[in-house]
Amino acid sequence: NAGVMQNPRHLVRRRGQEARLRCSPMKGHSHVYWYRQLPEEGLKFMVYLQKENIIDESGMPKERFSAEFPKEGPSILRIQQVVRGDSAAYFCASSLLSQGAGNTEAFFGQGTRLTVV
Amino acid sequence: AQKVTQAQTEISVVEKEDVTLDCVYETRDTTYYLFWYKQPPSGELVFLIRRNSFDEQNEISGRYSWNFQKSTSSFNFTITASQVVDSAVYFCALSEGYGGSQGNLIFGKGTKLSVKP
Repeated sequence: NAGVMQNPRHLVRRRGQEARLRCSPMKGHSHVYWYRQLPEEGLKFMVYLQKENIIDESGMPKERFSAEFPKEGPSILRIQQVVRGDSAAYFCASSLLSQGAGNTEAFFGQGTRLTVV
Repeated sequence: AQKVTQAQTEISVVEKEDVTLDCVYETRDTTYYLFWYKQPPSGELVFLIRRNSFDEQNEISGRYSWNFQKSTSSFNFTITASQVVDSAVYFCALSEGYGGSQGNLIFGKGTKLSVKP
């Protein structure tokens, strides 16, 4: 049973380009969470999705960032027109139930390290 | 407001020493969950423990132990007889609510532990 798979592990983009980060949750998990970790910082929640629905995007920047979790395929975090400040590690987590629903654990992927040059 | 504070930014110990990592949290909810994660130099996040707000029993797992004290809003983590492989950044996190969209994790800024041989 494969864990949460994120790809690519490392991504380099020039300023103004688009970055697409992919997350395949664990088998059977329908809840996906994206977090951003800036250098020397803890992780900050960005968005929570269930299949085809955005449940909570309170942590997403208002512009340039979007996320989806289609019925088929991985969850995608898209960053348009990247800037240097977007350089960070982006982690995806998946869980069987909502993390707030009690006895459930979120499993994290290995992260995608985005560098904007 | 919800908040997790890890006051120790960095700790350095010599192998075989015991070390305690502090975590203090703030929440208005009566139902919440506390977590510890380990982030080794390779960058992935490793789940260590989840504890719900109704269970104040201390937990021991091998060399690891956790002390949950609601009276002081603390969830401290102790490593006994530390080893070089314990060197990592350790994050404490809080999850509030019960179901619904209140499932995102609020992370502290992490404590970097260096264990020297």
